[in-house]
Amino acid sequence: DQQVKQNSPSLSVQEGRISILNCDYTNSMFDYFLWYKKYPAEGPTFLISISSIKDKNEDGRFTVFLNKSAKHLSLHIVPSQPGDSAVYFCAARDSNDYKLSFGAGTTVTVRA
Amino acid sequence: DARVTQTPRHKVTEMGQEVTMRCQPILGHNTVFWYRQTMMQGLELLAYFRNRAPLDDSGMPKDRFSAEMPDATLATLKIQPSEPRDSAVYFCASGFGQANIQYFGAGTRLSVL
Repeated sequence: DQQVKQNSPSLSVQEGRISILNCDYTNSMFDYFLWYKKYPAEGPTFLISISSIKDKNEDGRFTVFLNKSAKHLSLHIVPSQPGDSAVYFCAARDSNDYKLSFGAGTTVTVRA
Repeated sequence: DARVTQTPRHKVTEMGQEVTMRCQPILGHNTVFWYRQTMMQGLELLAYFRNRAPLDDSGMPKDRFSAEMPDATLATLKIQPSEPRDSAVYFCASGFGQANIQYFGAGTRLSVL
């Protein structure tokens, strides 16, 4: 039962433009959300997170938006750079538990 | 540069053989997770430990998989006997306190022939 869904397996964007990655969740108990980035042959690395008490968190070129009523979050990358080409995983947790539930990932390709 | 260390990075074995994967969490981290990544399932949680005690191993096939933490600096994931369907990349991650953020190792790529 996939509680976190990333419905777009891939995204191609031109360098300098905005990348928007989407994620939906079904568990209303989730209250902390994260994005991880993964390069081939490496482990996922933490990118940015957001607590359910906020609707936006920004870190440099990366911004995460949370819409609790829609159970939806998105990651914006502006401007996109070639080094951003990677697989991006959305993850969520219930703070009463230590487990993270991951989406299936979105492969981002930034074209020069 | 603190990081989670996993060994081996690659393992090729024959069906029926025992496989042991090792993980050294970041020093001071008290929560350790084992994940498996496959093409079909994405990242799935197999088991996790808190202060070396197993909290949840419901994601593991119990008959062939076992996970332990002999001490705070070592976590192991064992498969016996291994099967071709176990072929995947196995990741270890560690966290501290509430473990809101988990830090991943580079993974062990397992191929069972």
